[in-house]
Amino acid sequence: DTAVSQTPKYLVTQMGNDKSIKCEQNLGHDTMYWYKQDSKKFLKIMFSYNNKELIINETVPNRFSPKSPDKAHLNLHINSLELGDSAVYFCASSQNKGNYGYTFGSGTRLTVV
Amino acid sequence: GENVEQHPSTLSVQEGDSAVIKCTYSDSASNYFPWYKQELGKRPQLIIDIRSNVGEKKDQRIAVTLNKTAKHFSLHITETQPEDSAVYFCAATSGGSYIPTFGRGTSLIVHP
Repeated sequence: DTAVSQTPKYLVTQMGNDKSIKCEQNLGHDTMYWYKQDSKKFLKIMFSYNNKELIINETVPNRFSPKSPDKAHLNLHINSLELGDSAVYFCASSQNKGNYGYTFGSGTRLTVV
Repeated sequence: GENVEQHPSTLSVQEGDSAVIKCTYSDSASNYFPWYKQELGKRPQLIIDIRSNVGEKKDQRIAVTLNKTAKHFSLHITETQPEDSAVYFCAATSGGSYIPTFGRGTSLIVHP
């Protein structure tokens, strides 16, 4: 019974390709997030959705497009992949957009070659 | 915006010793301070959190203290065990933005 599940776990792809990462949570949380963790382990917020509505859109290239079909799902589509996109991408959810702890997914290690 | 500094970046201790990781924050309006543990190749996991109306919180071998005046908070791990080896992240959430600002992480190594 994984609380926040992400697929795929590993993704190796060539520059210029388009790829998607899927995320689902079964916790009944209202808020979901995408984070990027670089090689130095820094966690950087990318997007946040609350009840399917985009509420945070940090400065990321517009090649990254999130989509939330319902409050339990938040997918990330990346167009025209670049070498610098290589990182671990974590989905997370929290009870609400207030001050609550996160439950993270297991991460997707994206390698662009 | 909020700025969170975390020290040390690496901490090496012997099994059974105590470990302390310190974080400072800049926004006096910050009111929620979670700590996450990330084992190698795994997801970050919330291990303890504290809100600004509390000065200390304990959960078995881990404790967090908060000094609002000095704007710093610390994670204390007693009787460390090899399975405590991981990267620990502190975070601070300002009242004006519910997105936490993470520290850069502390790599804790516990030697058996």
